[in-house]
This record gives sequence, C-alpha cells and structure tokens, in this order.
Amino acid sequence: QAGLTQPPSVSKDLRQTATLTCTGNNNNVGNEGAAWLQQHQGHPPKLLSYRNNNRPSGISERFSASRSGNTASLTITGLQPEDEADYYCSAWDSSLSAWVFGGGTKLTVL
Amino acid sequence: QVQLVESGGGVVQPGRSLRLSCAASGFTFSGSEMHWVRQAPGKGLEWVASSSSDGSYKFYADSVKGRFTISRDNSRNTVNLQMNSLRTEDTAMYYCAKEEGTGPSSGFDIWGQGTVVSVSS
Repeated sequence: QAGLTQPPSVSKDLRQTATLTCTGNNNNVGNEGAAWLQQHQGHPPKLLSYRNNNRPSGISERFSASRSGNTASLTITGLQPEDEADYYCSAWDSSLSAWVFGGGTKLTVL
Repeated sequence: QVQLVESGGGVVQPGRSLRLSCAASGFTFSGSEMHWVRQAPGKGLEWVASSSSDGSYKFYADSVKGRFTISRDNSRNTVNLQMNSLRTEDTAMYYCAKEEGTGPSSGFDIWGQGTVVSVSS
C-alpha cells in the first residue's frame, strides 16, 4: 500500500516558523483530508490536527494545518525546543480501503 | 481517565502466533472505531488493522492480510489482534489507537503506550 510522501528532515531556528508537507493523491489527502501526529522519542504519537485543521483540546495554537489539492501542510510558529520531534501525516485512502501514513519528518530546532 | 493499555507482546519464533489485547477506559468504547498501528525499530508508523465500532467491518494492511485478525468485545471494552504465521518483519512496537471519529481522516486521538513484539529464531 503506497504511503504519503513527507520530507525526511527539516531544520529551523528557535522561534522561527516551520512548514511540513505531506503529499498524497486524489484518493486520500485530496479527497478525505489528512491528520497530523507528533511523536517524541520513546513515546507514543500524539494527535495534533485532524480533518485538515481541527485541533484536539490542549494542542497549542502554534500548530495549524491546511490542505491544497493533494498536499497537506502543518505549520508550527514560534518554534520551541520541545517541538523537536518526528511528525507524521495520515489519511484514509478510499481506493485502498486502508489508512496510509507518511514516512515522517524529523524536525530539528536549532 | 481516558486510556488504552496494550498487553500480550513478547518474543516469538517465526511461524508462531501471538495475541495482543488492548483494554480501553474513560470513553464510549462501543461507539469508537479502533485500530492497531505498528512501528518497527527506528522506522515510521504503519497502520495494521481497523475495526468498526460494532466489529462488523474490518480492514487490514496488505502486509498482514490473511495472517492477522482484529476482533473486539464491546462488553469488556477490549480490542484484540490475533497474529499468526509471524515473520521477522513483524517485529515492532504495536500500538492500539482510537479514531477521533468525526469523519474520514479524522485521525487517531488516543494511543496506548504500546507492546513490543519481537519475532526471532
């Protein structure tokens, strides 16, 4: 099952803005939208955003998501040291009848 | 509080079986779609299997289809993963996850701490 495409790594300076991307196709991101997860080393993932730009309770407003066509994006403003983590996108693929994940982006805060 | 607790992981030889369980609490389990997601050492997340809220619909990743079976008991708030014919490439941390549930691609909003499965001779 084909997954979603994410850049392996992104590096940004403290207090700057990072935009992470996730590219799929018309059967997943383009049709159904995407969700974003954050995972710190040694911990389970945490949901940051779902259905393109809905934040669960307790998630900082510094995290915002959007979608344009088959590409979803997660923007993190005012980068903090604790934002250094792996970020994954996920989506339901209606053609495969399967959930698909991106390979993950490792965000480094310099 | 809202939580998922996995159990049943361990070390097993190739070709053998293992059954994982996930106990849910703090939310309406019978109204929630449930999933298993795994993560091989040093790798990304891989969706494994899903169950609809009443267990009538089940979906599997191609990599496990025909070998793994997801089931649930809404009277006990548990979801299970029966893993047969295990392969070395099934070695991973296995997470139980709850779907947020507001529609397609709503994401997984509750995760357990995971249970480790190691397949080795």
